[in-house]
Amino acid sequence: KAGVTQTPRYLIKTRGQQVTLSCSPISGHRSVSWYQQTPGQGLQFLFEYFSETQRNKGNFPGRFSGRQFSNSRSEMNVSTLELGDSALYLCASRPSTSGSYNEQFFGPGTRLTVL
Amino acid sequence: EDQVTQSPEALRLQEGESSSLNCSYTVSGLRGLFWYRQDPGKGPEFLFTLYSAGEEKEKERLKATLTKKESFLHITAPKPEDSATYLCAVLLWGGSEKLVFGKGTKLTVNP
Repeated sequence: KAGVTQTPRYLIKTRGQQVTLSCSPISGHRSVSWYQQTPGQGLQFLFEYFSETQRNKGNFPGRFSGRQFSNSRSEMNVSTLELGDSALYLCASRPSTSGSYNEQFFGPGTRLTVL
Repeated sequence: EDQVTQSPEALRLQEGESSSLNCSYTVSGLRGLFWYRQDPGKGPEFLFTLYSAGEEKEKERLKATLTKKESFLHITAPKPEDSATYLCAVLLWGGSEKLVFGKGTKLTVNP
């Protein structure tokens, strides 16, 4: 069974630009969550999507947004990039939203560098 | 505010030297506590879930325990391949279900 895939793996952008990251969940998984990981703040929850609807949102500004498609693939977008957005962005999928965190698998992440 | 604190931030052990990692939490309602292992360049990998005080889980050289305020990840006779960052996370009760992560403990096991 293929794991969670994220594209691209590495990205370099400049301040003010916008970026779109992609996540393909494990086949059959319908819930996709996004996290930001930085050395200073650790791993922080961004948002979760299930059946194309955002179920949950962390404490991030509106510049961070996402969506989910009917095939459960998800994208997240960051507009007007700031230096502090440099981070590893992780996507995780699980079968459903009812518990099942034991079955949550993470992708390898997209390393975003903002210059 | 819900908080998860891991200590130490970094730990160096000799192969075979047992030790423990700590995860303390101050949360309003704990549904579960999770331990993950993260290798460089990879996403976190699930290890254990603990749900109630007194619960213990084991896997190879790792044993996780839970009290009302903290969890320990005991590593017995570690090997170099156990080197990784270990993360704990808590799942909270309430309307907004999400995992709150600690910042992790970076473990290095020298041969």
